[in-house]
Amino acid sequence: GQQVMQIPQYQHVQEGEDFTTYCNSSTTLSNIQWYKQRPGGHPVFLIQLVKSGEVKKQKRLTFQFGEAKKNSSLHITATQTTDVGTYFCAGPPLYGDYKLSFGAGTTVTVRA
Amino acid sequence: DAGITQSPRHKVTETGTPVTLRCHQTENHRYMYWYRQDPGHGLRLIHYSYGVKDTDKGEVSDGYSVSRSKTEDFLLTLESATSSQTSVYFCAISVQGRPETQYFGPGTRLLVL
Repeated sequence: GQQVMQIPQYQHVQEGEDFTTYCNSSTTLSNIQWYKQRPGGHPVFLIQLVKSGEVKKQKRLTFQFGEAKKNSSLHITATQTTDVGTYFCAGPPLYGDYKLSFGAGTTVTVRA
Repeated sequence: DAGITQSPRHKVTETGTPVTLRCHQTENHRYMYWYRQDPGHGLRLIHYSYGVKDTDKGEVSDGYSVSRSKTEDFLLTLESATSSQTSVYFCAISVQGRPETQYFGPGTRLLVL
């Protein structure tokens, strides 16, 4: 079945620094979505990318969908303490139903 | 948060007992999902529903059953709880026209002793 992998599993960042987390699917995706889960909270939808090579920005967050629609990245600039949490990528297969396969997530901690 | 509530929010039970978790939504969304979340595994789909009395299995459905007799309620039952079912359970919905984008409820923390 479809597998979605995320690296790194943990990201420890100094406040103000940049970092990138990566998402790779074993199969071509219809779209890629990113979710954020704060400690003790529930996953919250951040963004969806649909087109090959698409790039979208949300303030300090930049999301990219790969040309082959099998990988994605999330880049955060000038990390803040509000960025703490776990970031999940997820996507449905290009052909098939709408069920999402989630990666295991990247858990971000920030050193002040 | 898409009007989703889950009950109970926390539960402790003993091995072998049946447990039912409830997901309630107020906006008549067609698609509803049950996930479990465990460290290192992300979110794994247990069952989902695409309408009243229309349900299907996800990737980790063994030991779980679901029912949806009304649009607003999606019930998850652990038929005979085991310690391996200790987890955080999230319900989610998809909004009309965007079936693959999901909005999650607050979760239920279940401990099976």
